[in-house]
Amino acid sequence: EPEVTQTPSHQVTQMGQEVILRCVPISNHLYFYWYRQILGQKVEFLVSFYNNEISEKSEIFDDQFSVERPDGSNFTLKIRSTKLEDSAMYFCASSELLGHTEAFFGQGTRLTVV
Amino acid sequence: AQTVTQSQPEMSVQEAETVTLSCTYDTSESDYYLFWYKQPPSRQMILVIRQEAYKQQNATENRFSVNFQKAAKSFSLKISDSQLGDAAMYFCAYRSPKAAGNKLTFGGGTRVLVKP
Repeated sequence: EPEVTQTPSHQVTQMGQEVILRCVPISNHLYFYWYRQILGQKVEFLVSFYNNEISEKSEIFDDQFSVERPDGSNFTLKIRSTKLEDSAMYFCASSELLGHTEAFFGQGTRLTVV
Repeated sequence: AQTVTQSQPEMSVQEAETVTLSCTYDTSESDYYLFWYKQPPSRQMILVIRQEAYKQQNATENRFSVNFQKAAKSFSLKISDSQLGDAAMYFCAYRSPKAAGNKLTFGGGTRVLVKP
């Protein structure tokens, strides 16, 4: 069964450093997403991406964050100058079509900023 | 903006028994989608069941079923014949088909404990 794959599973970084979280969505999917879950809290939407551009972003997704689909298969989330409060589980998801199909989630990347 | 509320932080159920998780949501839209996701200790988000608002019939997936009350904006999940593997966090989620970004709005989650 096709699945969304995220790497790494766990990333530890120093405060102020840049990190790139990587995702390989399901191959025939057109919509890609990043969500964040701070420990013990709800899952929060960060950004959605379609046709090589951002479709929607939340207020969390400020200039510190960027997304890219560099090679037609990978979908990355870059966090510049990480802060302690960026420590969270980051989930990538993808869906086939707008509106009518569910999003499939990856297994998540646990980001720890020290 | 849509909001999703799960009022039960934790529910405990005996193995083989039934447990019902509540979810309410706030929206002004008439057409939308509702989902229940399961998050086991591995923390991956796994889709359990989905419901389209235009369908009156409640969705069912094996031991999982929903009670969708559109007028009351309620979407509860019933887990029948609970198994140890059902122990997890369960998140209710809402999606508008009109939203440009197709995003999911999640509730705060309910932790389900299954006692052997």
